Amino acid sequence: DQQVKQNSPSLSVQEGRISILNCDYTNSMFDYFLWYKKYPAEGPTFLISISSIKDKNEDGRFTVFLNKSAKHLSLHIVPSQPGDSAVYFCAASSQAGTALIFGKGTTLSVSS
Amino acid sequence: GAVVSQHPSWVICKSGTSVKIECRSLDFQATTMFWYRQFPKQSLMLMATSNEGSKATYEQGVEKDKFLINHASLTLSTLTVTSAHPEDSSFYICSAPPSGDAYNSPLHFGNGTRLTVT
Repeated sequence: DQQVKQNSPSLSVQEGRISILNCDYTNSMFDYFLWYKKYPAEGPTFLISISSIKDKNEDGRFTVFLNKSAKHLSLHIVPSQPGDSAVYFCAASSQAGTALIFGKGTTLSVSS
Repeated sequence: GAVVSQHPSWVICKSGTSVKIECRSLDFQATTMFWYRQFPKQSLMLMATSNEGSKATYEQGVEKDKFLINHASLTLSTLTVTSAHPEDSSFYICSAPPSGDAYNSPLHFGNGTRLTVT
């Protein structure tokens, strides 16, 4: 049973527009949520995180929103750039520093 | 920033042989490291938690006798795939939590090891 779900396997966006990647989770014990970017045959690269005491965290072009009541989080990238094209993984843990549970990923394609 | 180094980046071995993958924390000490496996177009699945000075903790369904984990020091964990078979072909990735405030120091990952068993 998947605890972290990314229901959209792919997303295509034009350069300059907003990319919105969604993630749902089922485990109410999750306390810490992260987004990673990954290229084939490489390890994931950390993008942004949010703890359960917040509902928004922003870092440059990346913003993560957390809706605890809906057990839903999203990553907004604006403006999107072709270099953002990659697979994006949502991950969660019950405590920062512990093992992460990953979603299946969403492949983002940004066209120029 | 915290760097995790993984070696080798890719390996091809024959069925029945064993392969060792190393994971090192380069600029910090890690009492815990995590080993993940990723099949093509799938999620990263946690295999086990490596603990320095004690036995590893394996996730349900992961054979501890097949995937031997040794956390020899505060900067090195190894994963040995014993008697490898073609179905073990996968992408193996390690990660470690840096020291300090965990909420501001997320898990960092190695670059992964592509294992192909022929």
